[in-house]
Amino acid sequence: EDQVTQSPEALRLQEGESSSLNCSYTVSGLRGLFWYRQDPGKGPEFLFTLYSAGEEKEKERLKATLTKKESFLHITAPKPEDSATYLCAVEGASGSRLTFGEGTQLTVNP
Amino acid sequence: NAGVTQTPKFRVLKTGQSMTLLCAQDMNHEYMYWYRQDPGMGLRLIHYSVGEGTTAKGEVPDGYNVSRLKKQNFLLGLESAAPSQTSVYFCASSYPGQGSYSNQPQHFGDGTRLSIL
Repeated sequence: EDQVTQSPEALRLQEGESSSLNCSYTVSGLRGLFWYRQDPGKGPEFLFTLYSAGEEKEKERLKATLTKKESFLHITAPKPEDSATYLCAVEGASGSRLTFGEGTQLTVNP
Repeated sequence: NAGVTQTPKFRVLKTGQSMTLLCAQDMNHEYMYWYRQDPGMGLRLIHYSVGEGTTAKGEVPDGYNVSRLKKQNFLLGLESAAPSQTSVYFCASSYPGQGSYSNQPQHFGDGTRLSIL
């Protein structure tokens, strides 16, 4: 059974204070690891897909990295508009479906 | 381009009532999914479909039924609603992956907030 654990559950940062969110996973045959952003009252919005250990992807102040056991979402010099819940999900060998973590709620104070 | 549209956005039901949630996508995606999201539980897959006329059970299928009569629509039914089904329901859709690559990212609707009294 695929499993995803995200930490911390909640994170408060000051504007400009860089940090990282963690996503630990166990999966039979990783086909892809996904990061999503979810704003209150909205559906998740896709950010990145990572396919293999060592891969990195960047988008504005966000950078996602992947190892064989975990993924990190690094946030550099965050702004208040980066406040959201960040979700991690994996797709295993069975395909067709994702297993999600519970998310990290990020708050960036001005 | 509307993407994924869920109807209704809010609903309150009494225990034992039935209802159908509608999901429509205009991206010609093959795959469609229904999730529920509860505090402390994350997103859990209820049912999914890999094509018109096909459905499959996800992680938490009990108490729900689905139908995919048209490629663009995926319906989620509650035959006899229970308070434990109070949740936020999300629909998503995606293209399938190629070969050993993962499926394309799922696109989500904005959810249906369902309360069962």
